[in-house]
Order: sequence, then C-alpha cells, then structure tokens
Amino acid sequence: DGGITQSPKYLFRKEGQNVTLSCEQNLNHDAMYWYRQDPGQGLRLIYYSQIVNDFQKGDIAEGYSVSREKKESFPLTVTSAQKNPTAFYLCASSFQNRGSNQPQHFGDGTRLSIL
Amino acid sequence: RKEVEQDPGPFNVPEGATVAFNCTYSNSASQSFFWYRQDCRKEPKLLMSVYSSGNEDGRFTAQLNRASQYISLLIRDSKLSDSATYLCVALSNTDKLIFGTGTRLQVFP
Repeated sequence: DGGITQSPKYLFRKEGQNVTLSCEQNLNHDAMYWYRQDPGQGLRLIYYSQIVNDFQKGDIAEGYSVSREKKESFPLTVTSAQKNPTAFYLCASSFQNRGSNQPQHFGDGTRLSIL
Repeated sequence: RKEVEQDPGPFNVPEGATVAFNCTYSNSASQSFFWYRQDCRKEPKLLMSVYSSGNEDGRFTAQLNRASQYISLLIRDSKLSDSATYLCVALSNTDKLIFGTGTRLQVFP
C-alpha cells in the first residue's frame, strides 16, 4: 500500500541526547515536510524539502536538523539544542505545488517526550 | 494577527444538525485552500480541497470568498463520527501550507 510511514510511534529522549525520527514515503512525492504540533497551537513547520539534496528551514527550525539523500526519505534529528522537544511530530509529503492544488498527506506521527 | 484564523470551538451539536465553520486568512496571495480533519491524537487527514466556485462532497460543502478572505465548511446531517477537529489550511505564495489551529466539533446523540 502506498503511504507515509513514520517511526517510531513513541520516543523518549534523555537530557543532552540527539534523537532521529524516521519518515519514509512510497508515493513518489517530490516534496516532504516536518511539522510539530503542540496542544492548542496547530501545526508549525520545522523543515521542508522540495527536491532531493535540498531543504529549507521552516518557522521553527532551531534545534532540529534534516537530510534528504533519497526521494523517499526525510529523517528529522531533534538535537540537544532543542530545549522543549516534547510534542507530536508529523511528517507530510506532496507532489510539487508550483501553483497547483496539491495537498499534503501525513504520516501517523511520532510522539516525543523527555525522560 | 495569525495568517489563518479559526474559532477553536468547541461546537456541540446534536446528531442530524447542520453546522458551519468559518476561517479567515490574511495573505491575499494564497491560491489554494483545504480542509483537514484531525481525530484526537491522530494525524490530519485531507477532507476536501476548496475551489473558487465552491464544492460539495456528500454532506460536506466548502466555499471560498476571496473578496472577504474567508473559507467556510458546512456539514449537513451531522453524524457522531463527524466529531473531530477541523483544520483550515491555506497554501502560501511560497508553497508552504499554513494551518489554522482547528475548530473542534462534538456531535452528541
């Protein structure tokens, strides 16, 4: 089945530790996105990538890093510099927008908590 | 001012009722709009795109008013299973999706 797979579903981070969240899609989508959702705040864009080997910062990129070595994969690393990492992390993908009406489709998310 | 604003609700309605949500956006250059549905502790799922001429999908009708910069979602004959948070989303002129914080709907028997 085509879709977006995020893993793990739940993740716990210790102080000072970097953790990496996985996102894989087999929809042949060009663009991939990472969002963070906190209660009552809606989705905020962390990083996005429109094409392999290229990515841009979103609105809240500090304390995060990404890579886009393959079209199918867009892992997100939450570094120790991110002081408030507890949130619901959502990965999404879409075909390139370029003015057309291309919605994003989401994986089922990773819940990250601090130990 | 937020780029996409929604009334957070909750809207509590009985089964069978008609309910409407509005959403306003601030960037007049936004070209595309969507409604997503998000169940508690789950990922958002695309409900419908919003077209300039308005569009309908079963019990759901979406409207866009560019002059007033608002989008609406009408749900007719509400079902218990419609209970969720509805996210209004605008595609910015930089190809980024801007999400509203969502409107919570609770349908009761």
